[in-house]
Amino acid sequence: EAGVTQFPSHSVIEKGQTVTLRCDPISGHDNLYWYRRVMGKEIKFLLHFVKESKQDESGMPNNRFLAERTGGTYSTLKVQPAELEDSGVYFCASSPNKYEQYFGPGTRLTVT
Amino acid sequence: GQSLEQPSEVTAVEGAIVQINCTYQTSGFYGLSWYQQHDGGAPTFLSYNALDGLEETGRFSSFLSRSDSYGYLLLQELQMKDSASYFCAVKRDDKIIFGKGTRLHILP
Repeated sequence: EAGVTQFPSHSVIEKGQTVTLRCDPISGHDNLYWYRRVMGKEIKFLLHFVKESKQDESGMPNNRFLAERTGGTYSTLKVQPAELEDSGVYFCASSPNKYEQYFGPGTRLTVT
Repeated sequence: GQSLEQPSEVTAVEGAIVQINCTYQTSGFYGLSWYQQHDGGAPTFLSYNALDGLEETGRFSSFLSRSDSYGYLLLQELQMKDSASYFCAVKRDDKIIFGKGTRLHILP
């Protein structure tokens, strides 16, 4: 069974540019989560989808971040315009039951 | 609000046993999870405790005491490949709140 996949694995962009991260969850998992880990700090929750609906987006830092989950399958996280403090590793996770989460390999975003 | 406390680093010897503690303060607690993360890798689910007591999965065991808001991860027969960061996490409503992680160093 394929795990959670994320694309790209790395992204280096300049401040002010736009980046879109993609996550493909494990097939059949209704729950999809986005997390971010800034260097040296803990993994922080960003938001949670149940199918195509946003269940909880209380962790989204600001309105420069936009997450979508088309048709309840893959999800995208867009950062526009990117700022230096947005650098970090963005993880996506999916879950069949909300407490056992399977993480993707992450996207390392560097904003210069 | 919510917070989790765990040691930042722990060092142990290959073949030994190590315990990583986690205390938490959170409202609406539903369970305590443990995740392992190797450098450059993704967090990997290890265990979940919703009720008090010990859960055993091979060389790894996890314990929870809800009355003490405390849990631990026990790793036995340590192997070099166990060198990683270990995160405790609480399930609150539909989200998971992670601790800052414990870096486990294993000496040969």
